[in-house]
Amino acid sequence: DAGVIQSPRHEVTEMGQEVTLRCKPISGHDYLFWYRQTMMRGLELLIYFNNNVPIDDSGMPEDRFSAKMPNASFSTLKIQPSEPRDSAVYFCASSLFSGEQYFGPGTRLTVT
Amino acid sequence: GNSVTQMEGPVTLSEEAFLTINCTYTATGYPSLFWYVQYPGEGLQLLLKATKADDKGSNKGFEATYRKETTSFHLEKGSVQVSDSAVYFCALSGDTGRRALTFGSGTRLQVQP
Repeated sequence: DAGVIQSPRHEVTEMGQEVTLRCKPISGHDYLFWYRQTMMRGLELLIYFNNNVPIDDSGMPEDRFSAKMPNASFSTLKIQPSEPRDSAVYFCASSLFSGEQYFGPGTRLTVT
Repeated sequence: GNSVTQMEGPVTLSEEAFLTINCTYTATGYPSLFWYVQYPGEGLQLLLKATKADDKGSNKGFEATYRKETTSFHLEKGSVQVSDSAVYFCALSGDTGRRALTFGSGTRLQVQP
C-alpha cells in the first residue's frame, strides 16, 4: 500500500488567496483526520470524518477553514482567505476503527 | 478534557546511552496510549502502543508500560543510536468514542556519536 498521500508537499501563497490541501487515505480505512502542527501550539486536531461524514470539527479555527470528504478515497481542506497565521504543517491521517492512525508526509503551508 | 504532558527537550545523549522520555496523561476512563516518532521532514510514524493498564508496548528496542496508577507511559530504550535522533510524541485516544488523538508537545532527541 502506498500509505496516506497528501498534496502538495509544499505550498507558498500570498495572504488573501485560497488554499486547497488534498489527502488520499489508505484504502479500506474508514476514519480520516486532519491535524495542524505549529511551533506554538504543537499538533492539534482540526476535524475528523467517519465513513465520509464529519464527526468532530471543534478544532477548525474559524469559518475561513472548511473540509470535505466527497468519497472514501479523497478529502480536501480549504482555507479562504488565507492569513500568515495559517502557516503550518498540515497532516492527514487515516485509520480503521480499532487501529492506529497512519499519517501522511504533510503539507508545509507558508502564507506571506 | 484529555491532555498529555511530556518532558521538555531537547534531550542530548551519547550513542549507547540509556533513554527515558517521561509522559503523563489526564483522561477519563481507559484511554489507549501511543508513542509516535517524527523524523526530519516526515510525517509521524507509530512507534508503539498499549491499550490497557499494565500492557507493555515495544518496538525497535523501545518500550513503554501503561501505568494507570501513576497515569504514565514513559518511553525507554536501553542503548540509543544516532539514527534514533528524532522528535517523539506521546499521545492518547479516549475510550468515549472520540477517535482523535491528543498529543503531547513532543520531545526532541539528539544522539551524538
